[in-house]
Amino acid sequence: AQSVTQLGSHVSVSEGALVLLRCNYSSSVPPYLFWYVQYPNQGLQLLLKYTSAATLVKGINGFEAEFKKSETSFHLTKPSAHMSDAAEYFCAVTRNNAGNMLTFGGGTRLMVKP
Amino acid sequence: EAQVTQNPRYLITVTGKKLTVTCSQNMNHEYMSWYRQDPGLGLRQIYYSMNVEVTDKGDVPEGYKVSRKEKRNFPLILESPSPNQTSLYFCASSPRQQPSYEQYFGPGTRLTVT
Repeated sequence: AQSVTQLGSHVSVSEGALVLLRCNYSSSVPPYLFWYVQYPNQGLQLLLKYTSAATLVKGINGFEAEFKKSETSFHLTKPSAHMSDAAEYFCAVTRNNAGNMLTFGGGTRLMVKP
Repeated sequence: EAQVTQNPRYLITVTGKKLTVTCSQNMNHEYMSWYRQDPGLGLRQIYYSMNVEVTDKGDVPEGYKVSRKEKRNFPLILESPSPNQTSLYFCASSPRQQPSYEQYFGPGTRLTVT
């Protein structure tokens, strides 16, 4: 069965610092992977997705993620954090032959200090 | 504007009092889904629908019902709510039931059952 682990439920960085949010997955078939962001009192919004076209995926707001099959990882990065990046971030993987049924990680809350 | 809407956004109710949370999308999407979000657990799927009159259970369906009589609407029904159903609920839709397609989320409904 697919599963997703996000290491660190809370991450704090200074404005301008590198953002690194970790996601490891388990899947018995080549996965489709997603990062969603949730701003306060809002629904989830897609940041980026991996669908096997390229291992380095660029998303909105300067975020990118790299699919590493050997490490079963899909970590999210941004070179320079902005105050507006403060939000909760969710990594998700689709399941075996189950269309777009998603398994989500537990989420990482990103805090950005001035 | 393409969107998924949910009503109500906030609801406080008492144990056993039947309630319905509505979900509507204006994007002509085939696939719709309900999730609940709890701290540390990410989002867990309650029910999903691949098209009109086609619904199936997700990971946590106990205590919930759904129906899909029209393509645009996918209401979530709690016939006898209990305190353990206090949660943040999200409706989502997707163009197809394909693993590479992203899901579009509504703004959420925060339910408190006392």
